[in-house]
Amino acid sequence: DAGVIQSPRHEVTEMGQEVTLRCKPISGHNSLFWYRQTMMRGLELLIYFNNNVPIDDSGMPEDRFSAKMPNASFSTLKIQPSEPRDSAVYFCASSFKGASNEQFFGPGTRLTVL
Amino acid sequence: RKEVEQDPGPFNVPEGATVAFNCTYSNSASQSFFWYRQDCRKEPKLLMSVYSSGNEDGRFTAQLNRASQYISLLIRDSKLSDSATYLCVVNTLTGGFKTIFGAGTRLFVKA
Repeated sequence: DAGVIQSPRHEVTEMGQEVTLRCKPISGHNSLFWYRQTMMRGLELLIYFNNNVPIDDSGMPEDRFSAKMPNASFSTLKIQPSEPRDSAVYFCASSFKGASNEQFFGPGTRLTVL
Repeated sequence: RKEVEQDPGPFNVPEGATVAFNCTYSNSASQSFFWYRQDCRKEPKLLMSVYSSGNEDGRFTAQLNRASQYISLLIRDSKLSDSATYLCVVNTLTGGFKTIFGAGTRLFVKA
């Protein structure tokens, strides 16, 4: 298995631009998580999907952030418009039957907003 | 008070030492617990789950104390390759799902 796949691995953009991060979970996993990691705030859960349905998006910082999961093998996290304070590493993780089981993380997308 | 708190670190220990990390949590309804390891500029990876009865995996021992609301990780006979950041994870399923990662404890094992 290829593991969780994220793209791009690095993204540098200018303030105000739209950013789309992509994630392909491990085949057969039915839960998907988006996290953001910064030095100041650590690893924060942004949103959690179960069977493609958003279960908890209380961690999404504001309306500029949106996430979708159109099918079991693909999810996107979009930031529009981006701001310098959005600079962070964004991780996608997937698990089988929810967060009580091991979450497998992707390699992350390192986002820099200038 | 943070919902999940860890020893701030960093811990600097010589090879062969025994080192212990603690992680406290505030929600008594929390139900599942894990330790993850994160190497520099890499993604977190599961080190071990934490069970009520305690569990051991080679040089690593994890314990849960529900009464005092903390989990611990003990590493015996430290190796250079143990140098990493160790993150505790606390999941709560009551009243809606919540998973919280601790800020992590950095460990440096020196030769």
